[in-house]
Amino acid sequence: AQSVTQPDIHITVSEGASLELRCNYSYGATPYLFWYVQSPGQGLQLLLKYFSGDTLVQGIKGFEAEFKRSQSSFNLRKPSVHWSDAAEYFCAAPLGGYNKLIFGAGTRLAVHP
Amino acid sequence: DTEVTQTPKHLVMGMTNKKSLKCEQHMGHRAMYWYKQKAKKPPELMFVYSYEKLSINESVPSRFSPECPNSSLLNLHLHALQPEDSALYLCATAIGTGSLDTQYFGPGTRLTVL
Repeated sequence: AQSVTQPDIHITVSEGASLELRCNYSYGATPYLFWYVQSPGQGLQLLLKYFSGDTLVQGIKGFEAEFKRSQSSFNLRKPSVHWSDAAEYFCAAPLGGYNKLIFGAGTRLAVHP
Repeated sequence: DTEVTQTPKHLVMGMTNKKSLKCEQHMGHRAMYWYKQKAKKPPELMFVYSYEKLSINESVPSRFSPECPNSSLLNLHLHALQPEDSALYLCATAIGTGSLDTQYFGPGTRLTVL
């Protein structure tokens, strides 16, 4: 079945450290993939998206993600994390008609000072 | 401008009440979505409207009744809810319903059913 998987439920990093959040997809064709961020009690904000072309995608807030077909992955990275990056991160893909978004379980990021 | 607004921000209601959630956008988007998000879980799709017509109902109980009175407005009418319906209700909009059409989310309404 088509799915999006985020293997890490919770990650803690120190402020200033680098970050990588994992996302794997199970889909026959080349998927469209999104990363959203959700601060506590807030809606979802789009960080970046991959449709086709360059496999390294730049997003807002200094985030980037790399699409790797061989590994069925679309991992999110940031070279230096700020305390304000603490939030829930969701990987998602439109895997149904009418642009139905399927989300991974989410990764909660905590940032230590 | 990619703003989607939702009102109210918080809502507390009893199981016999009738209330409505409102979502508004002025981006000219023709696809509008309702999602339900329980604590520590990802959003789950409830309804999709395309050009003001209901296109998807994800087997949502009839105590949730969506309405799209015009292209800028999406309502979710609530009646006889259960405590397990307490959740964050998110509205999202997109230019259309194609897979390339990015969905933009509102801030959500935090619903508590007593």
